[in-house]
Amino acid sequence: GDSVTQMEGPVTLSEEAFLTINCTYTATGYPSLFWYVQYPGEGLQLLLKATKADDKGSNKGFEATYRKETTSFHLEKGSVQVSDSAVYFCALLAGANNLFFGTGTRLTVIP
Amino acid sequence: DVKVTQSSRYLVKRTGEKVFLECVQDMDHENMFWYRQDPGLGLRLIYFSYDVKMKEKGDIPEGYSVSREKKERFSLILESASTNQTSMYLCASITGASGTYEQYFGPGTRLTVT
Repeated sequence: GDSVTQMEGPVTLSEEAFLTINCTYTATGYPSLFWYVQYPGEGLQLLLKATKADDKGSNKGFEATYRKETTSFHLEKGSVQVSDSAVYFCALLAGANNLFFGTGTRLTVIP
Repeated sequence: DVKVTQSSRYLVKRTGEKVFLECVQDMDHENMFWYRQDPGLGLRLIYFSYDVKMKEKGDIPEGYSVSREKKERFSLILESASTNQTSMYLCASITGASGTYEQYFGPGTRLTVT
């Protein structure tokens, strides 16, 4: 069945470091892919999305490219800030009601 | 902006109590979801509803029921709360339009069952 596997955390980085959080997926069809972010004490917010192969989603300096050949959707940011500290979830949508989440990766950015 | 609200941010209940968690969305979305979030397990789908009075079991429905009497409101019910239901509960809603789905999440309810 469909599933998402993302890099386990926690991840700790210094401010201005480069961030990569790996996400790979398994799907029988052509899913849409998402990254969600959860700041402390809050619900999940959509960070970025890509709906077809080779699409690049981007928001707030974060980017992820939908790679069908490697079934991946890795999250990257060139220079993280303390305010980026949060839990990040990769997700796959294979229809209106079939949303699969990864287990989440906690990122802590230290000054 | 889409608003998904949940009735409580924090809740403490005793074992055996009946617990109601309410979720309201203001964007006329057809589909609504209840998840629980636990460390190391990510989000797990409990139930979802694609229309008023319609419901479908998710991955972990045992010990829970739901109610969708109005389109904007989706309630999660713990008939007899147990300590293993201590968790963060997240409600979400999604449009029914094809191709550009987004889920909007509420702030979550942290439930502790003692």
